[in-house]
Amino acid sequence: QKEVEQNSGPLSVPEGAIASLNCTYSDRGSQSFFWYRQYSGKSPELIMFIYSNGDKEDGRFTAQLNKASQYVSLLIRDSQPSDSATYLCAVRGGSGGYQKVTFGTGTKLQVIP
Amino acid sequence: DADVTQTPRNRITKTGKRIMLECSQTKGHDRMYWYRQDPGLGLRLIYYSFDVKDINKGEISDGYSVSRQAQAKFSLSLESAIPNQTALYFCATSDRGGSSTDTQYFGPGTRLTVL
Repeated sequence: QKEVEQNSGPLSVPEGAIASLNCTYSDRGSQSFFWYRQYSGKSPELIMFIYSNGDKEDGRFTAQLNKASQYVSLLIRDSQPSDSATYLCAVRGGSGGYQKVTFGTGTKLQVIP
Repeated sequence: DADVTQTPRNRITKTGKRIMLECSQTKGHDRMYWYRQDPGLGLRLIYYSFDVKDINKGEISDGYSVSRQAQAKFSLSLESAIPNQTALYFCATSDRGGSSTDTQYFGPGTRLTVL
């Protein structure tokens, strides 16, 4: 079982719709969770982080964390073509120690105009 | 100017050659990291350094070495490059603080091709 799993996609949504990206992790001791956006050939850039159960909103983005079920999700409201990118889930902490950050392989999102 | 810079941005080399990738940062962060990214495999940690005297192996350190010349500089070397080291390499930094929100900031990447 991979430590951090994401569906590779592509996930296609029409412009203006809600995109829902999911990530599951295997280490129950994981402490904090990050969503990065990566455009093709570019470096990952942080969208948001979350470390408490529940929802965290930042503009059109909402991160949701459920530690009991070991999943974290990212919702993108009013999706725009410029949101088309690969979204990486990253998990910090757990049995490997606080310094360990494990990335998922990413979900490719396509927003159709 | 970019906070995290990497040189070179692209490099084509031959099997057996020694290659050095350099990373510099102006963010004042203590922690620096080297990752490689391969299609379908995601980002994998090669080495990380929490300060100039603290260097640690990541999950895929074989065939690589690093040098932390200063707080702001962290270099990755491939002593004898091989084709399966062809990948996109990223340097990243994060701030000391020990908080659970220790966010990493990435450089623009170096695309390395080993023929």
